[in-house]
Amino acid sequence: AQSVAQPEDQVNVAEGNPLTVKCTYSVSGNPYLFWYVQYPNRGLQFLLKYITGDNLVKGSYGFEAEFNKSQTSFHLKKPSALVSDSALYFCAVRDLNTGFQKLVFGTGTRLLVSP
Amino acid sequence: DVKVTQSSRYLVKRTGEKVFLECVQDMDHENMFWYRQDPGLGLRLIYFSYDVKMKEKGDIPEGYSVSREKKERFSLILESASTNQTSMYLCASAQSSGNTIYFGEGSWLTVV
Repeated sequence: AQSVAQPEDQVNVAEGNPLTVKCTYSVSGNPYLFWYVQYPNRGLQFLLKYITGDNLVKGSYGFEAEFNKSQTSFHLKKPSALVSDSALYFCAVRDLNTGFQKLVFGTGTRLLVSP
Repeated sequence: DVKVTQSSRYLVKRTGEKVFLECVQDMDHENMFWYRQDPGLGLRLIYFSYDVKMKEKGDIPEGYSVSREKKERFSLILESASTNQTSMYLCASAQSSGNTIYFGEGSWLTVV
């Protein structure tokens, strides 16, 4: 079965410092990987995806993610964190065993950026 | 921009009531989804629809049903609400040929 793991419930970082939110995946075949962000009391917003191609994927709001096949990871990164980046981040993988875009989500990582 | 609209953001219902959660998308997407979000569990798929009047069960369909009478509208129905259905419900849509799923703002349901 396809799955993703987000090993950290919370990540704390100071504003201006680089941030990393970790995600590892387990799939059979080539993975389709996604990152979403959820601000308080809001829905999920799409940040970026990896389907194929360059291992470094750039997304919205200055975020990027690095696909690493040997480590089965897809960590979300940003060079300089903002207080406004504080939110809940979800990694997801498409379940390719189904004929539609079923996403399997991780449990989420709360990012707290302090001033 | 894709717009997925969930008309009810916050609802409080009594145990045993029938509950309707409505979702509308404006991008002519073929596929629509209902997810449930709970702390520590992430998002779990309840139901999926790939066309008008067509539906497929997700991972946790028990206690729920859905209706898709028009392409742009996908409703989640709780036939007899129970307290363990207190949760955040997220509607989403996607093109059948695409990979990206777009989510609505969510509906917070409390069953008392």
